Amino acid sequence: AQSVTQLDSHVSVSEGTPVLLRCNYSSSYSPSLFWYVQHPNKGLQLLLKYTSAATLVKGINGFEAEFKKSETSFHLTKPSAHMSDAAEYFCVVSGYSSASKIIFGSGTRLSIRP
Amino acid sequence: DSGVTQTPKHLITATGQRVTLRCSPRSGDLSVYWYQQSLDQGLQFLIQYYNGEERAKGNILERFSAQQFPDLHSELNLSSLELGDSALYFCASSAAGTSGYEQYFGPGTRLTVT
Repeated sequence: AQSVTQLDSHVSVSEGTPVLLRCNYSSSYSPSLFWYVQHPNKGLQLLLKYTSAATLVKGINGFEAEFKKSETSFHLTKPSAHMSDAAEYFCVVSGYSSASKIIFGSGTRLSIRP
Repeated sequence: DSGVTQTPKHLITATGQRVTLRCSPRSGDLSVYWYQQSLDQGLQFLIQYYNGEERAKGNILERFSAQQFPDLHSELNLSSLELGDSALYFCASSAAGTSGYEQYFGPGTRLTVT
């Protein structure tokens, strides 16, 4: 069985400071992991994905995430927050088999203080 | 722009009615996924179709049904609507049939049941 937990429902940072959005997952096999971003009144956009290649994954807009199997984590980071980063972020776990379901985390709302 | 289109953008209807939401996937994508996003339930996977066949089922109610047509567009039918069905409905597409691949989301259809 698979599950995903986003540890913070809301994160607030100042513009120019680092961002850390935490995600822990549970999977009985090697998972695929994704981060999606949703801006207000918009659809979801893929930020980055991990599919058993490099453990440090770089995405769009300066975001990156590190897959840590020992900690079952896939935290999203960005060195310097921008006002345009304010959005809802979803961590997602899936598998490669046709029977795998895709599981979305509950989301983390990121606010940026000027 | 993800390349996934959804119509209509907004829909307002009364309880007990039936509506149809339409989705056109990105060119070349064979899989279509439907999701429901509401404030109390978050983002929930409803159903997946791959090349015209149902591939995976999530938390889809019996009052809801979907299909994918030979031209690969998909429709989600919602019947006997209840107030609690008010939500944002997203369609997503991906190239492959397994859920380990990234999905591209449409802008959504906002359904309001009065």
